[in-house]
Amino acid sequence: DSGVTQTPKHLITATGQRVTLRCSPRSGDLSVYWYQQSLDQGLQFLIQYYNGEERAKGNILERFSAQQFPDLHSELNLSSLELGDSALYFCASSVGRGGGRNTGELFFGEGSRLTVL
Amino acid sequence: KNEVEQSPQNLTAQEGEFITINCSYSVGISALHWLQQHPGGGIVSLFMLSSGKKKHGRLIATINIQEKHSSLHITASHPRDSAVYICAGFRLGNEKLTFGTGTRLTIIP
Repeated sequence: DSGVTQTPKHLITATGQRVTLRCSPRSGDLSVYWYQQSLDQGLQFLIQYYNGEERAKGNILERFSAQQFPDLHSELNLSSLELGDSALYFCASSVGRGGGRNTGELFFGEGSRLTVL
Repeated sequence: KNEVEQSPQNLTAQEGEFITINCSYSVGISALHWLQQHPGGGIVSLFMLSSGKKKHGRLIATINIQEKHSSLHITASHPRDSAVYICAGFRLGNEKLTFGTGTRLTIIP
């Protein structure tokens, strides 16, 4: 058990809909990272928050947004869903704010499997 | 060219064999992570390396900064080691972790 909790584990929805994925980081970790893993693209970094502030942005679509709340949990909002958004979405946390060796170890959640029909 | 490249893509070995998975990375990558993804999808971080060598149980990870190369070794491999192993790199001052395409390891009893 990594200590990172993601909900829901599985989600099936239709094109055009909006979903929210939730992540609770490991106790004491201030950074939350979101990653997308699709069959054709592999793992890709989406966005990182550190202590409530957006720290880095990767290949995140404009239809997607995220935030980190004062209690450090994070939510990833996916809207106007398309078939191609079907993927595993992982959240990871770390104690550091990032930047390579400053990150420390990454702890991953079990992932949320999104299927868009 | 990808910033992080792994080889081989697929590896099948007999139980007990010594396993090596390789990762080459581009200039500017300051830290490398080795991750293990189980068949069920969950990801576990195995090592984070910026220099030298780390060992945990039967797993050993090394990094050669001059050659921009890292290896993950598994000694006395076991069927439960069957998984996808992924190396991923952070650029100095950049939080965008770049992932290799993964190595699918299958250990046959």
